[in-house]
Order: sequence, then structure tokens, then C-alpha cells
Amino acid sequence: EVHLVESGGGLIHPGGSLRLSCETSGFTFRSYWMHWVRQAPGKGLEWVSRIDNDGRGTRYADFVRGRFTISRDNDNNRLYLQMNNLRVDDTAVYYCATPIVLQAPWGQGTLVTVAS
Amino acid sequence: QSVMTQPPSVSGTPGQRVVISCSGSSSNIGGNTVNWYQQLPGRAPKLLMYSDHERTSWVPDRFSGSKSGTSASLAISGLQSEDEADYYCASWDDSLSGWVFGGGTKVAVL
Repeated sequence: EVHLVESGGGLIHPGGSLRLSCETSGFTFRSYWMHWVRQAPGKGLEWVSRIDNDGRGTRYADFVRGRFTISRDNDNNRLYLQMNNLRVDDTAVYYCATPIVLQAPWGQGTLVTVAS
Repeated sequence: QSVMTQPPSVSGTPGQRVVISCSGSSSNIGGNTVNWYQQLPGRAPKLLMYSDHERTSWVPDRFSGSKSGTSASLAISGLQSEDEADYYCASWDDSLSGWVFGGGTKVAVL
């Protein structure tokens, strides 16, 4: 059974940095692309970034490009999101997600609050 | 503003049929499959439907999905109170090389 557990969120001032982590289990992590998706309070889902299975290919939503960096550790089955120069409108629950083919449940996410 | 367009809300009485539409473009729905997520209040989204019309294992056959061109829809027949939730359509976008989501539709059971 696939498990995804996000961590690393918290309260941070505008301009600050955070590193989110997603611990995974129950599937062959190194074989699959992975994604980060976020949801601002009371708002809809927004795709943030994805990384291919060997970490060489990454893509970002326009609103985070140049500020966020996605990475992965295939030896330890972990996904990361380094978030720099955070803005108030980055406040959201951040979820990691597997490709649809796995039909895997999302974790509970980790809340990032950017406020002064 | 979301890349794909959904109505903000739909409602129905128990037993009725409701339909949620999702409008996209040739770079997403028009060339890729559509997935639907259900999100209960305070919970993480759950995959409800994939590949346009395939139900995940926990989904009753009251739920059905379809797609035509650059639009998709999710139908709920025999509406039940437990169906009250937010529903999101999602698809791969070739231009973005990532996922795109609809803005979400809140289903209310009156």
C-alpha cells in the first residue's frame, strides 16, 4: 500500500525559505515521476512542480519558477521542495502526489503559512 | 484563474442526478485523459475517476465520467448526502508538461 507523508511546513516570514519533504513507501519510488500540488485556504488545487524518475527533468508552474526547486533522493524514497523567497500568497497546504497510474492516496499535506 | 473551467457549485435533492462540467483546451483535455478528485471537508483530495471514465475501487457506480473534445463531465446519479464534497477535474497539459486542475465544484445535497 502506498503511503505519502509530507513534512517541513510551518510559519515563515515573507522572503524566508522552507524545505518540504515527502517520505514515501509501498511502491518503487525510483520508477515514477512525482509531483507537488498545493491548496491555499478555501481555494482550489494548484499544480506546483514535477520531477521525472531520475531527477534530471523538472518543470514548474509559472508562479514558483525561479523560487522553488524540486528534487528527489531515490535511495531513500524521498521527494523534496526547496522554497525560497516565500510570499504571502504561497500560504497553502502542500501535497506530494504520485502519477495517476498508481491510483495512490495523497498524504495529509503540510501547511505552509507565510505571514509577517 | 484555473486553466480548466468548472461551475462553482451544483446542487440537488437526494436521489437526483447532477452533472459537473469541466472545460479545457487542446493542450490538456483535448489530447489527454481526465481525472476527477473528491475532497471532503478538511480532508485530502481522493482520486475518484481516472482515464475519463474509470472508477477507482472505492467509488460506487452512481458516479460516471465522460469526455468529448475539450470538455469532460462527471455525473452523480441517485445523489446521497455523503456525496457533499468538492470535486476537481484534472488533466495533463502538454504545454505546461504538468498537471492542470479545474477550479473545483461544490456539490450540495438539499
